[in-house]
Amino acid sequence: GDSVTQMEGPVTLSEEAFLTINCTYTATGYPSLFWYVQYPGEGLQLLLKATKADDKGSNKGFEATYRKETTSFHLEKGSVQVSDSAVYFCALLKAAGNKLTFGGGTRVLVKP
Amino acid sequence: KAGVTQTPRYLIKTRGQQVTLSCSPISGHRSVSWYQQTPGQGLQFLFEYFSETQRNKGNFPGRFSGRQFSNSRSEMNVSTLELGDSALYLCASSLELRDRVDEQYFGPGTRLTVT
Repeated sequence: GDSVTQMEGPVTLSEEAFLTINCTYTATGYPSLFWYVQYPGEGLQLLLKATKADDKGSNKGFEATYRKETTSFHLEKGSVQVSDSAVYFCALLKAAGNKLTFGGGTRVLVKP
Repeated sequence: KAGVTQTPRYLIKTRGQQVTLSCSPISGHRSVSWYQQTPGQGLQFLFEYFSETQRNKGNFPGRFSGRQFSNSRSEMNVSTLELGDSALYLCASSLELRDRVDEQYFGPGTRLTVT
């Protein structure tokens, strides 16, 4: 079946450091890919998406490129802030049945 | 536009009881999905409804059920609660236009604690 694998956390960084969270997927067909972020005590917020190979999703300084050849969708941010501390989830979605398949989540802690 | 709302936000129930959770999607969204989030299992898909019909179901026992109303609002029910049902239950809605994969927008969740 479909699956998503993320690097395990926690990832601890200093403010203004570069962030990368690796995400790879296994799926048949051509899924859409997403990054969601969850702040403490809250639901999931959509961070960015890409719907086809070589698409780049971007939002709030975060970027991820849909790489079909490596089945990856790594999340990057050039300069993190304390407010970026959260849990980040990579997910895939296929049209049939509207079911999101999530990775295990990566906790990011940014220290001042 | 108002986001996805879920009620109640917190619930404490006893083993053996049943519980009903409610979700109101973003206005105009016709698909509603439910997910369970636990520290051990992560985020798992429960089921998805569109136009009052369940289109997809995850690998959960029959104690977990749901429905969708004509205004797209959805409820999920868990009967005969077990300790392992303690989790954050998240609802998500999407627009679901023809021939397009739409992103899902999540509500804040209902935190269920079973004692």
